[in-house]
Parts: sequence; structure tokens; C-alpha cells
Amino acid sequence: EAGVAQSPRYKIIEKRQSVAFWCNPISGHATLYWYQQILGQGPKLLIQFQNNGVVDDSQLPKDRFSAERLKGVDSTLKIQPAKLEDSAVYLCASSFVPGINIQYFGAGTRLSVL
Amino acid sequence: AQTVTQSQPEMSVQEAETVTLSCTYDTSESDYYLFWYKQPPSRQMILVIRQEAYKQQNATENRFSVNFQKAAKSFSLKISDSQLGDAAMYFCACQNTGNQFYFGTGTSLTVIP
Repeated sequence: EAGVAQSPRYKIIEKRQSVAFWCNPISGHATLYWYQQILGQGPKLLIQFQNNGVVDDSQLPKDRFSAERLKGVDSTLKIQPAKLEDSAVYLCASSFVPGINIQYFGAGTRLSVL
Repeated sequence: AQTVTQSQPEMSVQEAETVTLSCTYDTSESDYYLFWYKQPPSRQMILVIRQEAYKQQNATENRFSVNFQKAAKSFSLKISDSQLGDAAMYFCACQNTGNQFYFGTGTSLTVIP
């Protein structure tokens, strides 16, 4: 079974530039999560999708971050414009509903904003 | 709001010995799930063990076991016969009925040969 795929693995940009991350969840997983993990901290949920609908985006900085999940499969997270404090690892995870929603994580994208 | 607290930023253990990582959580929900995830330097989070809050029996997965104290809202992880491959960041997490996860700040485990 293929795991959660994320790209790119690394990204370096200058502040005020735009960046996009892509995630392909495990086939059949209805729920998709995007997390921000700042160095030395635990993952913080940014947005949660159920199929192609948003379940929770309460911690998403909507003035600069956006995310979509077209057709309920792949998802893209965008930052526009980026700030220095956005430097972090962005993790994507997916889970199968119903039951205990064990999350399966991708390897993440490490973003450095200079 | 839910919070998960890991009070040990760093821990170390001798190879083949036992170590316990602490976690406390706070939730107003009666039904929830608890998890321990491992994050090696490769960054990919891997599930170690999970516990349903309605179950009194502590979960066990090979060398990994938990001590779940529901009244105290405590969920510690015990690693027996520690191996070099156990070295990683360990995150405690709580999942509510809305399928939202809350993670702790992590404990960095070093295994000494």
C-alpha cells in the first residue's frame, strides 16, 4: 500500500514570495490534514478536510494561507506572501473514516523563508 | 479546547534498559483516543501505540506499553529493552470525537549504546 506522498521535500524562498505544497493521501482515505511543525514543537493542525469539505480551519492564518482539496483526493496548501515565521515543516496526513482515525503521515516539506 | 503536555523535553536510556515517557492531557470530552507517535530524523511520523479512552486495559504493542490513568488524565509510554532504533522524538496526541488531533511538544529520546 502506497503511503502519503508529499512534494517538494524541501523549499527555500524569500519573504513575500509565494509557495505551494502538494499532498496525495492514501487511496480511500476520506480525511486529510495539514499540520505546521515549527522546529522544537509538536505539529499544529492548520486545516482538516473530510472528502473535499473543510471540517476545521480555525488555526489557519487565512490572510496568507489557503488550502484546497479538489475531488476529495489530492490537496494543495499555499502561502502567499510568506513570512519569516512560516519557516517550518509542513506535514500532510490522512486517515480512514469511520473508527479510530489512525493518521498516516507523509515525510513533510521543510520550508525555509529567508 | 484540548491540551497535551509532555513535561520531559529530553530523555536518555541505556540500550536494553526501560524508559518511561510522560504525557498528560486535558479534554472535556468523555470519548476520545490517545496516541504515541515516533518521529525519527527522517521526519515521518510513525504510530507507536494507541488507546481508546473507554478501555480500562492498558494497550501493549511488543516492547511498547502504556500506563493509562483516566482520572488523572495521564498517558505514559514505557519502552522496554530499548534499542538504538528507538532513538527519536516521541509525541503524545489526543483525538476527539470530531477527529481533531492535538499533539504535545515532544520528548527527544536518546539511546546510549
